Amino acid sequence: DQQVKQNSPSLSVQEGRISILNCDYTNSMFDYFLWYKKYPAEGPTFLISISSIKDKNEDGRFTVFLNKSAKHLSLHIVPSQPGDSAVYFCAARGTGFQKLVFGTGTRLLVSP
Amino acid sequence: KAGVTQTPRYLIKTRGQQVTLSCSPISGHRSVSWYQQTPGQGLQFLFEYFSETQRNKGNFPGRFSGRQFSNSRSEMNVSTLELGDSALYLCASSLARGIQETQYFGPGTRLLVL
Repeated sequence: DQQVKQNSPSLSVQEGRISILNCDYTNSMFDYFLWYKKYPAEGPTFLISISSIKDKNEDGRFTVFLNKSAKHLSLHIVPSQPGDSAVYFCAARGTGFQKLVFGTGTRLLVSP
Repeated sequence: KAGVTQTPRYLIKTRGQQVTLSCSPISGHRSVSWYQQTPGQGLQFLFEYFSETQRNKGNFPGRFSGRQFSNSRSEMNVSTLELGDSALYLCASSLARGIQETQYFGPGTRLLVL
């Protein structure tokens, strides 16, 4: 049972445009959400997170939006850069636990 | 501050053997979690250790085990290796002070079982 879903396995965007990566979850007990970026042969690198009490969090070019009623979150990257090309994972966690439940990832390709 | 380190980075074993992977968390971090990444399954949670105690466990067979030492370093052991155990094994650490916080990952150990 996939509790965190990233339905788009890949996304191609031109440099300078906006990249929007989507994530859906099914478990209403999740209260903290994170996005990680992963390059080949490296571990995931933390990008940005959001608590369930918020609906938006920004950090430079990265913004995460959370729609609790729809159980949906998205990551916006503006402007996109070629160095952003990587696999992006969303992850969720329930109250009091360290276990992260990951989506299957979206491969982002930003072309010059 | 040094990041999470994992050793070895690459490992080749044969079916039936056992393997031990090591993880050193970020200094001051008390929680260590292990994940398995495979192309088809994404990142799957194995277990989490906090203050030398396993706090949470994923849906993996008993061949997968781990432990944590008093300095928060952790080891993961897989016995009787199977071909399907070939994967990238990732370790993550966090402060785990009971507030919402981030797990930081190491570079992983890539295990190939022949």
